[in-house]
Amino acid sequence: QVTLRESGPALVKPTQTLTLTCTFSGFSLSTSGMCVSWIRQPPGKALEWLARIDWDDDKYYSTSLKTRLTISKDTSKNQVVLTMTNMDPVDTATYYCARMRIGEGYSYEYWGQGTLVTVSS
Amino acid sequence: QSALTQPASVSGSPGQSITISCTGTSSDVGSYNLVSWYQQHPGKAPKLMIYEVSKRPSGVSNRFSGSKSGNTASLTISGLQAEDEADYYCCSYAGSSILFGGGTKLTVL
Repeated sequence: QVTLRESGPALVKPTQTLTLTCTFSGFSLSTSGMCVSWIRQPPGKALEWLARIDWDDDKYYSTSLKTRLTISKDTSKNQVVLTMTNMDPVDTATYYCARMRIGEGYSYEYWGQGTLVTVSS
Repeated sequence: QSALTQPASVSGSPGQSITISCTGTSSDVGSYNLVSWYQQHPGKAPKLMIYEVSKRPSGVSNRFSGSKSGNTASLTISGLQAEDEADYYCCSYAGSSILFGGGTKLTVL
């Protein structure tokens, strides 16, 4: 059974750095073709893809946010970490992690429940 | 890279069919058969409904179908049911990134 769970602060101040952790089970990120992505959704708005890390440690970032994002993995802990620098109120959103398999059409069959991050002073 | 374009809202009566369009460019939807569709109910995580343009994951009703022509993908829901009322998002592989659509709110009248 595949599960993912996001964790991190619910409230951050403007200009601070956000660190989110995705802890997963039911698969290994060292398996060929396996990837984990971060996706966010501001309240009442659309989904926005942020970043992806692959089993071979390849990393991909949203063009508009790449200067602020870092994604990493700890395979032994079954965790993927996303950091986002210089947080702003417009970054207030529910942040999801989701699993992708290259052989399954670059789609996200498994999602975490999401964690709401509010940026406010 | 811009988000994929979807209609903001669509509606239909129970039993009817509706289609949601998703327009991209030749760099994303038009270049890859890697379009997926997600259903999202309020307060819930998205659920995969269609992948690789027209494939359904196990457990997804065959009332949901997908297609693509050129730079536009489409999701069709037949035999509308009350529980289909939700937001729907298209998604496309775009080389080194993934693009989502702006979302479509489906109302079942």
